[in-house]
This record gives sequence, C-alpha cells and structure tokens, in this order.
Amino acid sequence: AQKITQTQPGMFVQEKEAVTLDCTYDTSDPSYGLFWYKQPSSGEMIFLIYQGSYDQQNATEGRYSLNFQKARKSANLVISASQLGDSAMYFCAMREGLSGGYNKLIFGAGTRLAVHP
Amino acid sequence: EAGVVQSPRYKIIEKKQPVAFWCNPISGHNTLYWYLQNLGQGPELLIRYENEEAVDDSQLPKDRFSAERLKGVDSTLKIQPAELGDSAVYLCASKPGRVNTGELFFGEGSRLTVL
Repeated sequence: AQKITQTQPGMFVQEKEAVTLDCTYDTSDPSYGLFWYKQPSSGEMIFLIYQGSYDQQNATEGRYSLNFQKARKSANLVISASQLGDSAMYFCAMREGLSGGYNKLIFGAGTRLAVHP
Repeated sequence: EAGVVQSPRYKIIEKKQPVAFWCNPISGHNTLYWYLQNLGQGPELLIRYENEEAVDDSQLPKDRFSAERLKGVDSTLKIQPAELGDSAVYLCASKPGRVNTGELFFGEGSRLTVL
C-alpha cells in the first residue's frame, strides 16, 4: 500500500541557512507524483513544489528544490536561504498514477520547521 | 481567481450536537475533496467527488458523517451526532478536471472543537 514517511517531527534552522526536510515513500505504481505543501499557523495548505516519477531533473521553485532519489524512494525538500516566514508545518504528499486514479493525494505526518533569527 | 472558500472557520459545539461545514471550490474545478486533519498529523481523505458523484468515500464514517455535492459545485459535510474525537480541522480542496500534475488547492479549513 502507498505510504509517506516523514521522520523529523521538528527541525530548527538559523535564518539565511539551508535546511533539508526528509520524505520517503512507498508505492508499487510506476507512475506517481510527489508534492510538498506548507501549512502556516493560519491553516491553509500552500503548494510548494511537484516532482513527477518520470521527470529526469530535480524540481526547483525559487528557494525550494526537491532532491528526488528514485532508487531510494526519497523526495527531500531543500529550502535555501531560510527566512523567518518559512516557519510552518511542511507536508510531503504522493499521488499515484493508474492505481490511484491520478486523483488522490496521501500525506505524511509533517515536519514542523522553526526558523530562528 | 477566488480560492477555495470554507465556512465556518471555527466551530465549538457540545458532544451529541450536529454540525455542518460548507465548501465552495474554485470555479470550474470538477474534483472536490474533504480531508480530516487531526492535531499534529497530516490530512486524511474522507471523501472525493467527481462533479456530483462521490467516487471515494471509503474513509468516511458513515454512521455519523454525511456529505453532499448537489449540482457538482459547492459541498456540505455534516456530522451528527458529534463526538469528542471529532475535534479536528476539516479541510476542503479542489482540482480542475483537466489533466495536470494533480495539485490540490486547499481552503483554510474549518476547525471543530467538541466539548
């Protein structure tokens, strides 16, 4: 069965430094997508970045990059030059392809990131 | 473009009372989801609609939870009667029908406290 694992309940980082949030996944579907969402204290889930299973290059969106290691089934989020506003919960999620109907996201338990000045 | 709108943002009720949450998805989004998020955990799918049809409701506790999406636009999630363990955030999300990455667009959630 599909599964997302985030092993870091909480992470601390100094402002302006880079931080890596871990995510591993398990699926038997050859076609899948991986997502990272940010959830600030306001509660809304904000989409950050997407990586398709067949994408050859790691996804990047501004200060966010996804370190996709397919053989290890990991999809770590790297935030460069951390800002105070990056303090939030971060969720890794997966969408399966054919078996999941392309329409269902499952989420990990999340990692709480605290950025210190 | 307006985002996903949910109401109420906060609701406090006593156990055994009914409660209802409303969601208006982004215009043109055919797929609508209700997720449950317990404190300190990731969202878990309750039900997914494709237009007005509920196509995945396997995680919905049907003895007390019900949902509807009349006319395939806005949706209502109801709990009757509420239990203490139902205290959580109920997130609504939507997705366009066209093929895309599968990104979901979320509302701000409805936070339920059952006393």
